[in-house]
Amino acid sequence: EPEVTQTPSHQVTQMGQEVILRCVPISNHLYFYWYRQILGQKVEFLVSFYNNEISEKSEIFDDQFSVERPDGSNFTLKIRSTKLEDSAMYFCASRRQGQNTDTQYFGPGTRLTVL
Amino acid sequence: AQSVTQLDSHVSVSEGTPVLLRCNYSSSYSPSLFWYVQHPNKGLQLLLKYTSAATLVKGINGFEAEFKKSETSFHLTKPSAHMSDAAEYFCVVSPKAAGNKLTFGGGTRVLVKP
Repeated sequence: EPEVTQTPSHQVTQMGQEVILRCVPISNHLYFYWYRQILGQKVEFLVSFYNNEISEKSEIFDDQFSVERPDGSNFTLKIRSTKLEDSAMYFCASRRQGQNTDTQYFGPGTRLTVL
Repeated sequence: AQSVTQLDSHVSVSEGTPVLLRCNYSSSYSPSLFWYVQHPNKGLQLLLKYTSAATLVKGINGFEAEFKKSETSFHLTKPSAHMSDAAEYFCVVSPKAAGNKLTFGGGTRVLVKP
């Protein structure tokens, strides 16, 4: 069964450094998402992406964040200058296009630790 | 706007006894509702979903949930807990529209005692 994959599983970085979190969505999916979960808090929506552009973003997704689909398989989340409060588990998800296809399939997550 | 409240942050059950995880939602339109499960060091796995067909929804691993519009609830149940059910469970609401960002509840951690 196809799965969403994410790399790395754990990333440790210094405050102010740039990080890129990588995701490989399921191959015939066309909608892509990033969510995050700060320890002890709810899973929060960050951004959705369709047809090579952002379709919706949350207040969290400020100018320090960007997303890209650099090729036909990868979907990346970049944080330009990390802050301590960016430490969280980041989940990628993808979804097919079409009727009755609102199920999002999640990857295992990348745990980001900012020191 | 939409929101989800999971009424119990932790639930402890004995193996073989029923499990009930409570979820209430708020939505300004007719939503889709989901339950996801997260086992340690694993991703979020879909258990079941409601999308306005039958109000009683059956999912994987013997779980089911009932959509009650009058109570704005979508509680998850399983008649007999198994040790492998120990995990965190998330109730999730989504608009039935393109884009459909998910709104998560706070999660319920289930402990299964032998």
